[in-house]
Amino acid sequence: SQTIHQWPATLVQPVGSPLSLECTVEGTSNPNLYWYRQAAGRGLQLLFYSVGIGQISSEVPQNLSASRPQDRQFILSSKKLLLSDSGFYLCAWSVGSGSYNEQFFGPGTRLTVL
Amino acid sequence: SQELEQSPQSLIVQEGKNLTINCTSSKTLYGLYWYKQKYGEGLIFLMMLQKGGEEKSHEKITAKLDEKKQQSSLHITASQPSHAGIYLCGADRTDKLIFGTGTRLQVFP
Repeated sequence: SQTIHQWPATLVQPVGSPLSLECTVEGTSNPNLYWYRQAAGRGLQLLFYSVGIGQISSEVPQNLSASRPQDRQFILSSKKLLLSDSGFYLCAWSVGSGSYNEQFFGPGTRLTVL
Repeated sequence: SQELEQSPQSLIVQEGKNLTINCTSSKTLYGLYWYKQKYGEGLIFLMMLQKGGEEKSHEKITAKLDEKKQQSSLHITASQPSHAGIYLCGADRTDKLIFGTGTRLQVFP
């Protein structure tokens, strides 16, 4: 069966520090991978998605970046965190392309920038 | 403005009451997903609707997609504390989903 892992589960970082969040998927090949952010009390905002190794699409301009060094690994990074980067970050995966792509979500990482 | 709007934003109901959450799109919906999120956790898939007029049920939760495929509703019958959480609708856009604004549901005894 497929599983998705995210770590760390929680993170407290000072403003201006770097960030690296990792997401890995098991039990499937060539998944589409997604990073979402959920600000407190709000819906999900798609940040990045990837349909293959090295292929990253950015949805929202910001100081975050994403990379996909391996088929089932998706990393969210920042060189310098801002207060506004605080939130709950969710990684998700799906298979197939085009429409009807049900997504499966990881447990999330809660990031607090102080 | 948001492409997918949910209403209400938050809902507080007494256990045993029925409730409805709406999801309205500014574009035609070709795949509409309902997810539930417990506070501080990942999302759990509830159901998916594709066809105009389609209706699906799982336990006490029923979701419908209107004939014009621009609005979906999620109805919970006889709500329980276990129904509490954030409900999110998501719409298919090629290779990705976009999500609604979310509805926070609280159920009190």
